[in-house]
Amino acid sequence: SQQGEEDPQALSIQEGENATMNCSYKTSINNLQWYRQNSGRGLVHLILIRSNEREKHSGRLRVTLDTSKKSSSLLITASRAADTASYFCATAGGGADGLTFGKGTHLIIQP
Amino acid sequence: EAGVAQSPRYKIIEKRQSVAFWCNPISGHATLYWYQQILGQGPKLLIQFQNNGVVDDSQLPKDRFSAERLKGVDSTLKIQPAKLEDSAVYLCASSWRTGGNYGYTFGSGTRLTVV
Repeated sequence: SQQGEEDPQALSIQEGENATMNCSYKTSINNLQWYRQNSGRGLVHLILIRSNEREKHSGRLRVTLDTSKKSSSLLITASRAADTASYFCATAGGGADGLTFGKGTHLIIQP
Repeated sequence: EAGVAQSPRYKIIEKRQSVAFWCNPISGHATLYWYQQILGQGPKLLIQFQNNGVVDDSQLPKDRFSAERLKGVDSTLKIQPAKLEDSAVYLCASSWRTGGNYGYTFGSGTRLTVV
């Protein structure tokens, strides 16, 4: 079963604009991670936010986590054509379980 | 550091045939995962190893899928016999250890088409 649900399923914006993707989950977590997947490739780890953190930055990425609402958002600022990809949130429980992924948001950056 | 290696990159087989995938994780990573990703969906965990022991195989269709991790390093995933619905990308990932706050490193995957 899939824990996370990304929203929107697809997003198309102009280069230079900001892109925001949301993720909701159902059960308690130890951390939440975001991954990027280019077409036909493996997933690349972008950022990890712990359950006791509210916001984290990495370059042009900003992630927020609201454990009371069981939701997270990923903001990509000043988007580039190379950011075109699918983005997945994944949750890790407190035990030895593997990551549970959502269905992803497909982001298209128009030049 | 070298990434997670997977082979083959692509495989086409007929239904009821068998197929095997190979994965070599990052050196020193104790935990290895196999995920199945059907087109348009997120990856689904099939099996998780900690060293050479199975931690979680609750979503592995054990009547047709099997996996092993040789000496706690390389791993193989086998499907026998394959069904049409097994068409998917099979992703291998590794991390330092299970639990904790670690990201995963994924391989490029094996795209399986069952005809």
